[in-house]
Amino acid sequence: GQNIDQPTEMTATEGAIVQINCTYQTSGFNGLFWYQQHAGEAPTFLSYNVLDGLEEKGRFSSFLSRSKGYSYLLLKELQMKDSASYLCAGLDSNYQLIWGAGTKLIIKP
Amino acid sequence: IAGITQAPTSQILAAGRRMTLRCTQDMRHNAMYWYRQDLGLGLRLIHYSNTAGTTGKGEVPDGYSVSRANTDDFPLTLASAVPSQTSVYFCASSDGLAGGNEQFFGPGTRLTVL
Repeated sequence: GQNIDQPTEMTATEGAIVQINCTYQTSGFNGLFWYQQHAGEAPTFLSYNVLDGLEEKGRFSSFLSRSKGYSYLLLKELQMKDSASYLCAGLDSNYQLIWGAGTKLIIKP
Repeated sequence: IAGITQAPTSQILAAGRRMTLRCTQDMRHNAMYWYRQDLGLGLRLIHYSNTAGTTGKGEVPDGYSVSRANTDDFPLTLASAVPSQTSVYFCASSDGLAGGNEQFFGPGTRLTVL
């Protein structure tokens, strides 16, 4: 079956670094997406990885290991506005997204 | 219109009633999607359309139908609503997902079926 696992909730301190992990099992694999979703709002795109390695985009970076079925999202210099849910989604062989339940990130001052 | 819009924003519906959720995009995207989002669960695909005139079933299609008469519009219909269809519904569009093209989401419709 297809499955995306990520922690339900994480807490971090303003200014710190946090890593949100995601493991995936999909029928075929065409890449992995990360989205951010603030409470009561729509998801918005953060990153896409299809090759192994780290993709850096400002304060956010995303890593992929295809052999391990593993990805992480790294957030640096945390700000209060980063409090949100972070959704991991794998793209399967039919180009359909399989979504994790999301990780709720709580930032404390 | 800028991006993707949904209507209504929220709705309370009696069980057994018919309801159509509207979705319109102005980005000329080929692909459109309907998801439902429930607490503790990931987004679940209801129906999708890869191009105007075609539709396909997602993970949870039962009780829902869609049509794609043109590029811009992708309405979702609940023929006879049931309480288990209480959820937040998101419409999304993309230029296909190959190559990492992202999905753009509408603001959502919060539906309560009593």
